[in-house]
Amino acid sequence: TQLLEQSPQFLSIQEGENLTVYCNSSSVFSSLQWYRQEPGEGPVLLVTVVTGGEVKKLKRLTFQFGDARKDSSLHITAAQPGDTGLYLCAGRSNYQLIWGAGTKLIIKP
Amino acid sequence: KAGVTQTPRYLIKTRGQQVTLSCSPISGHRSVSWYQQTPGQGLQFLFEYFSETQRNKGNFPGRFSGRQFSNSRSEMNVSTLELGDSALYLCASSLEGLLGEPQHFGDGTRLSIL
Repeated sequence: TQLLEQSPQFLSIQEGENLTVYCNSSSVFSSLQWYRQEPGEGPVLLVTVVTGGEVKKLKRLTFQFGDARKDSSLHITAAQPGDTGLYLCAGRSNYQLIWGAGTKLIIKP
Repeated sequence: KAGVTQTPRYLIKTRGQQVTLSCSPISGHRSVSWYQQTPGQGLQFLFEYFSETQRNKGNFPGRFSGRQFSNSRSEMNVSTLELGDSALYLCASSLEGLLGEPQHFGDGTRLSIL
C-alpha cells in the first residue's frame, strides 16, 4: 500500500514567520501535487512537480520535489493570515492520486 | 467558466438509508473522480469514471457505487448507510484523467449519519 505521510499535522504560527511542511513516502511517484483547502470548500491545486529535484515558486511559496521523487516540501516565507488552510499533497500513481492526510496551518495576525 | 458543482451541499440521513450525490463537472471534462474526506484520514479515493465507464476503483465496500452519464455528469450512491459513512464527499473533474493533469474539485457534499 502506498502511503504519503505529511508533517506536521498541525501548525499554528504568527504572521511574518517562515515555515516548512513535508510530504514523505517510501514509494516513487511520477508527479506530486500540492493543494490548499479552505473550510467549506474543495481543495485547489497550487502546483505540480514532475522532475526529481525540481523547485517551483509561487509568490511566497516554494515547492521542492525530492531527487528520488519520494518526498516533497512546501516552504512559506513571511506567512500571512490568508495562507491559513489545510495543505494536502498527492502523489500520482497510475490513474489514482495517493493523498496525504494534510497539514492544518493557522497563521495568527 | 463554471466550476465543478456538487449537490446537495449538506445531507442528514439515518442508518440503513441510502443516498445519492450528484456532481456536474467542468464543461469539456470527461473524467470524474469521487473521494471521501474525514478528519485525520485525508482523502480516500472511491472511484473514477471516464466516458460513462468506471476506470478505477478504490478500496471501498460494494455499498458505494457510482455512474456517469453521457454528458459527463456523475452520481454516487451509498446504500445501507452506516455511522462511519459520515464524511465530506468530494468530486473532482479533469479533461482526460491523465497522469499529472490537474483535478478541479467541487465544494463537496457534507453527509451526516444519525
